[in-house]
Amino acid sequence: NAGVMQNPRHLVRRRGQEARLRCSPMKGHSHVYWYRQLPEEGLKFMVYLQKENIIDESGMPKERFSAEFPKEGPSILRIQQVVRGDSAAYFCASSRSGGRESPLHFGNGTRLTVT
Amino acid sequence: AQTVTQSQPEMSVQEAETVTLSCTYDTSESDYYLFWYKQPPSRQMILVIRQEAYKQQNATENRFSVNFQKAAKSFSLKISDSQLGDAAMYFCAYRFSTSGTYKYIFGTGTRLKVLA
Repeated sequence: NAGVMQNPRHLVRRRGQEARLRCSPMKGHSHVYWYRQLPEEGLKFMVYLQKENIIDESGMPKERFSAEFPKEGPSILRIQQVVRGDSAAYFCASSRSGGRESPLHFGNGTRLTVT
Repeated sequence: AQTVTQSQPEMSVQEAETVTLSCTYDTSESDYYLFWYKQPPSRQMILVIRQEAYKQQNATENRFSVNFQKAAKSFSLKISDSQLGDAAMYFCAYRFSTSGTYKYIFGTGTRLKVLA
């Protein structure tokens, strides 16, 4: 049973370009979370999605960031017009349900570098 | 507001010895879960152990155990018989319910070094 798959592992973008980060949850998981980790810091919640629905996007910056989890295919975190401050590791996690007993399973993250 | 505090940025332990990583949290909730995650240099976040707030018995997973003190809002992780492969960042996390969904709050992490 494959774990949470994120790609690419590393992504380099110039300022002003777009970054697309992909996440395929574990088989049987329909809840996806995106977190951002700055160097030497913990994970900060960005957005929580279920299939075709954004449940909670309270951690998402108001501009340039968007996320989706379509009926078919992976979840996508999209960052438009990237700036140097967007450089971070972005982690996707999935869970079987939104219930309190359901732990998060994380992918290996995508390290975004903006030059 | 819910917060998670890990006051030890870095800890060292001799191989085969025992080490305890501390975590405190602040909440007004009564029903929640607590977790410890391990992040090795590979960057993957690995679930180590979890504790339900309603359970008084401390969780144990092989060499990993917790000391859960609900009244003190403390959730420390004890690693026994430390191994070189235990070297990693360890994050304490708190999961709570808000507006019908569940959120995680992570601490800033403790870097554990294991000395041969």
